[in-house]
Amino acid sequence: NAGVTQTPKFQVLKTGQSMTLQCAQDMNHEYMSWYRQDPGMGLRLIHYSVGAGITDQGEVPNGYNVSRSTTEDFPLRLLSAAPSQTSVYFCASSLGAGSSYNSPLHFGNGTRLTVT
Amino acid sequence: DAKTTQPNSMESNEEEPVHLPCNHSTISGTDYIHWYRQLPSQGPEYVIHGLTSNVNNRMASLAIAEDRKSSTLILHRATLRDAAVYYCILRPLGGATNKLIFGTGTLLAVQP
Repeated sequence: NAGVTQTPKFQVLKTGQSMTLQCAQDMNHEYMSWYRQDPGMGLRLIHYSVGAGITDQGEVPNGYNVSRSTTEDFPLRLLSAAPSQTSVYFCASSLGAGSSYNSPLHFGNGTRLTVT
Repeated sequence: DAKTTQPNSMESNEEEPVHLPCNHSTISGTDYIHWYRQLPSQGPEYVIHGLTSNVNNRMASLAIAEDRKSSTLILHRATLRDAAVYYCILRPLGGATNKLIFGTGTLLAVQP
């Protein structure tokens, strides 16, 4: 199994450009989420989804959109990139709470985004 | 959400045991204690979790205080590959239980 796959690994954007960070998992996990990690800040939750068609906001949702049309994919969209969005982005997935209460999160290896 | 407090950094020597502390004085009776670690340039990975009793697995042991206001992750013999940031997280029962909130963790350095 590939687990959680994130693409691209690296990306440089200019201010105002848009892009989509891709996240796919092949474990049939109901729950998926996006985190960003900045130096000295730990990981902060951006958006999450408890199943196809359902999304909700985390701690720092502003400037980001998500959708969940399939169980496997959970893309993160930046509509108009800003330098403050320079960060490392991690996608994570797990079984839903209804399937396995303490199911651990599985993380991808991240996308390093720089906005100039 | 109940919060955790961890030291910013710790050092250990290779092949010695490491005890990583975590304080969670506002823990509720239904919060599970989870530990993750993040190796350099990788996403976090699950280590261990527990509720009240001490837990062991192939990676580590988790010792939970009787009043549950603190816990300790124990690496029995540290290796260079254990150098990572270790996160202690409380996971509540009910609600969006997968919605984990990470703090800044403890950066563990392992000296050869």
